[in-house]
Amino acid sequence: TQLLEQSPQFLSIQEGENLTVYCNSSSVFSSLQWYRQEPGEGPVLLVTVVTGGEVKKLKRLTFQFGDARKDSSLHITAAQPGDTGLYLCAGPTGGAQKLVFGQGTRLTINP
Amino acid sequence: DVKVTQSSRYLVKRTGEKVFLECVQDMDHENMFWYRQDPGLGLRLIYFSYDVKMKEKGDIPEGYSVSREKKERFSLILESASTNQTSMYLCASIDHTYEQYFGPGTRLTVT
Repeated sequence: TQLLEQSPQFLSIQEGENLTVYCNSSSVFSSLQWYRQEPGEGPVLLVTVVTGGEVKKLKRLTFQFGDARKDSSLHITAAQPGDTGLYLCAGPTGGAQKLVFGQGTRLTINP
Repeated sequence: DVKVTQSSRYLVKRTGEKVFLECVQDMDHENMFWYRQDPGLGLRLIYFSYDVKMKEKGDIPEGYSVSREKKERFSLILESASTNQTSMYLCASIDHTYEQYFGPGTRLTVT
């Protein structure tokens, strides 16, 4: 069974600080995704990383896929209160387009 | 604008009741999923369906069943609700790029 472990589980920082969230596995994934979930809503896809070593940027968010395709990180520069939410990583597992999800990182940015 | 809708945002049911959670997607996706989300456990797959009338058990199917009579609609059924089924339930469909589109969730409380 492929598992994804996220760290930290909780992170509370001040506006303007930088942070990194990690998603690790002992298994190789063909791709990894990052979702953000706001309170009372379902998760929304932020990015998919496909190639080992790949780096993708979405404004202040930088996503990296490990060279061995077993891990990924999300770095946020100059965090803002609007970045608050639950961040989930996910990767394909088995067939029928199933995904396995990490347990999530709950991020709080304080003004 | 793609959309996955769920029949209720909040539900309160009594132990032993039969509960129906409905999900509809307008994207003509083949595959649909039901997850439950609990703090610290991430999203856990209950059932998924890869075609009309086709279904497969996920990781935690006990106490649940599903129905997919039409492509756009996927229902989750709690045959006899129990307090340990109090949770957030998320429905999703998936496109060919493995992006999952989630509904807003149903927060179910069983008393």
